[in-house]
Amino acid sequence: GAGVSQSPSNKVTEKGKDVELRCDPISGHTALYWYRQSLGQGLEFLIYFQGNSAPDKSGLPSDRFSAERTGGSVSTLTIQRTQQEDSAVYLCASSFSSAGGTDTQYFGPGTRLTVL
Amino acid sequence: GQQLNQSPQSMFIQEGEDVSMNCTSSSIFNTWLWYKQDPGEGPVLLIALYKAGELTSNGRLTAQFGITRKDSFLNISASIPSDVGIYFCAGRSSGGSNYKLTFGKGTLLTVNP
Repeated sequence: GAGVSQSPSNKVTEKGKDVELRCDPISGHTALYWYRQSLGQGLEFLIYFQGNSAPDKSGLPSDRFSAERTGGSVSTLTIQRTQQEDSAVYLCASSFSSAGGTDTQYFGPGTRLTVL
Repeated sequence: GQQLNQSPQSMFIQEGEDVSMNCTSSSIFNTWLWYKQDPGEGPVLLIALYKAGELTSNGRLTAQFGITRKDSFLNISASIPSDVGIYFCAGRSSGGSNYKLTFGKGTLLTVNP
């Protein structure tokens, strides 16, 4: 499809395990964003990529969270040693660029992570 | 950090009624955005506002960028069942972090047919 895709759509894991969440942005979009949406909350910014570089990682909650992007396309968000408070929907968005701050961010359907 | 207060948290209305929701910020934004999220989906952009005082419509939706640049509202006229969902406001600042969106906590809209 032409939109942002994310996988898996749902992930249930045990506390202490590592998880990887994948995002495929819209083809040609250079900017990619990860957000976290906890129950009843708005979206919380995690990290932003321009190409393969991450100029802003300020939203990552702890050093257990990391993300990378390869080939200016696919991005992976990794959470190590998961905790119950990591349970949330993780949303990825992409935009054509971030120049000027006016580009529309298109969101994927999210990955619902449940840590038991 | 920047905070957005979005109200109301939830609304239950009858089909055909008009709806209004708003957001206020502790700081100035250069852009206000309104998104809708359906269950199991990501947010979809409804309206973008780029200038203080701007009033923009998209079908039955109307949104305004407040003069102070610290608030925005969204109106939905003649609601229909498919308007059900969570509506989020989001703000974007100028300067080096202009890629970053700050979101409100959302307004859950239920429309009774």
